[in-house]
Amino acid sequence: EAQVTQNPRYLITVTGKKLTVTCSQNMNHEYMSWYRQDPGLGLRQIYYSMNVEVTDKGDVPEGYKVSRKEKRNFPLILESPSPNQTSLYFCASSLYAGQHHEQFFGPGTRLTVL
Amino acid sequence: LAKTTQPISMDSYEGQEVNITCSHNNIATNDYITWYQQFPSQGPRFIIQGYKTKVTNEVASLFIPADRKSSTLSLPRVSLSDTAVYYCLVGDTGGNEKLTFGTGTRLTIIP
Repeated sequence: EAQVTQNPRYLITVTGKKLTVTCSQNMNHEYMSWYRQDPGLGLRQIYYSMNVEVTDKGDVPEGYKVSRKEKRNFPLILESPSPNQTSLYFCASSLYAGQHHEQFFGPGTRLTVL
Repeated sequence: LAKTTQPISMDSYEGQEVNITCSHNNIATNDYITWYQQFPSQGPRFIIQGYKTKVTNEVASLFIPADRKSSTLSLPRVSLSDTAVYYCLVGDTGGNEKLTFGTGTRLTIIP
């Protein structure tokens, strides 16, 4: 089944404890991205990747890192999480970049930073 | 990127046809119009996409007037399961690597 998977689905952590949220797609998509969703603010893009080893900042990249060593994986790294990073996170992929191409979203990761 | 404007929320009764309009006054020649649907605690999913006139699929219809400065997503005979947030996006096939979803329209279906 074609899909985007994220792990973990739920995570509660404390300030400053490094964490990684994994994202994997099995559709051979070139474009992958991360979003966070907060009440009243909609979906905001954190980072995106055009292809392997090519990443760039979205609208809200501060406090996050990403890597794209393999085409299928695009982990989101929080080196020192803070409470303002408590949010619902979505990973997405599409065949290529551009809004013309359908985005496929993962199930989401709900992160709470205490 | 073309900026879009949608109503923040809408209510409708079951069985009615619902029309959600999106304004995109500065749409560019190469831009497509795409709509996504998001249920609570789930990722958005693609509904429909169009460039001009009318597009219809098994879920919805998309009406785009000749000037393309707005578009209307039409959901026929809605049910409670259509309660969701609907996002309108405008962009082209490439060059705009950043994607902007905005806050969308929260549609609530009333029994």
